[in-house]
Order: sequence, then structure tokens, then C-alpha cells
Amino acid sequence: DSGVTQTPKHLITATGQRVTLRCSPRSGDLSVYWYQQSLDQGLQFLIQYYNGEERAKGNILERFSAQQFPDLHSELNLSSLELGDSALYFCASSRAGSGADTQYFGPGTRLTVL
Amino acid sequence: QKEVEQDPGPLSVPEGAIVSLNCTYSNSAFQYFMWYRQYSRKGPELLMYTYSSGNKEDGRFTAQVDKSSKYISLFIRDSQPSDSATYLCATRGDSNYQLIWGAGTKLIIKP
Repeated sequence: DSGVTQTPKHLITATGQRVTLRCSPRSGDLSVYWYQQSLDQGLQFLIQYYNGEERAKGNILERFSAQQFPDLHSELNLSSLELGDSALYFCASSRAGSGADTQYFGPGTRLTVL
Repeated sequence: QKEVEQDPGPLSVPEGAIVSLNCTYSNSAFQYFMWYRQYSRKGPELLMYTYSSGNKEDGRFTAQVDKSSKYISLFIRDSQPSDSATYLCATRGDSNYQLIWGAGTKLIIKP
């Protein structure tokens, strides 16, 4: 158990809908990362937050947004969902978010868009 | 060209064999190198972490970085069926906050 929690574990929804994925980092970790993992595309970095502020952005679509709250938990919002958004979404956390940090992953949320 | 190249496999070997997993990278500024193991439908877990060149050993696992050839390796000795998983390499530079990931190699250890 990495200490990173994600809810829900599974989510099934329809195209055009909006969903929110939630992540709680390990105790003491200030940085949260979101990743998308599709069958054919490997692990894709979406976005990173550090202590409430956006620190780095990867291949995140404009339909997706995220935030980190004062208690350090984070939410990833996915809107106008398309079939291609079906994937595993992972959250990871690290102590400070610097180059020397290591990331610890949560169990993921499996999103299915029908 | 991807910044990190990794053969997706699958790589199938008999139990007890020595396994060699490899990645190549293109950016000489990368300094931190990691190997993660991911079991099916689970989150990746950190296996090995090295800084700059050299070897690092942890039990049956050895991570090796050759910065001159931009090549990173993970060796698994006395492989077990429980080692069957996808192994992902990842790297970053001093000024980067995000990891650059390989595609992952699926490893199958046959009893």
C-alpha cells in the first residue's frame, strides 16, 4: 500500500458527461501528479500540483481540469467525455515535487465511457 | 523520436533465469532514473532509483545506468513467477518536475 488513495475505483458513464476523480496524497506529501494510462498509449503525464499551485502541465486536454485543495487532496475533472477518454487514471504524490523526488502511485480509477 | 524508448515485449523467460530489461533515452540532461513495476490493473510501484551513472543493487534487482550510451537496465536474478508484471523505466533532469516514461515492458516468468 503506497499510502495514496483514489476514489472511485471504477466509474462508468456516457459520452458527453462530466466526472470528478479524487486523490488523497501520502501523509506529508505536498505534490500531486495525475496520469492517464490507456491500453495503447502507456502512461501519459497530465498535470502536477504542488502545495495548491499548478507546477507542470503535460498532455492534458482542455476538457480536463484539476485542482489541489488546502488539505492537499486533489480532484481531476473530466468533461464532455468521449469514448477515447476510457482509461485508467492514476494519481501519484511526492514529498516536494523536485527533481530528486520519487513518486508514489495510487491504485487508480478505471473510467469507462459508453 | 520518443525521449525514452522501451521495447513493450512481451518478454517470456523460464523461472530462475536472469532477466534484462532496457531503456534508451535521448536527452543527456537526464540525471534521475527509476524503474517501476506495475501489476495488471494496479498502480505502478517504485522498484529502483538511481542518480547519474553507475549500478545499484537491491536484493535480486540491479539497476544500471550508462550515461555515455544513454542506456539504462534492470536485471532480475533468480526470476520468480511473481515477478511477472510490466516494468516501466522513467527519467528526469534536474530542472524537470515531470518524469519522462518508457512505454513499459511486459515480463512473463514461466514456472
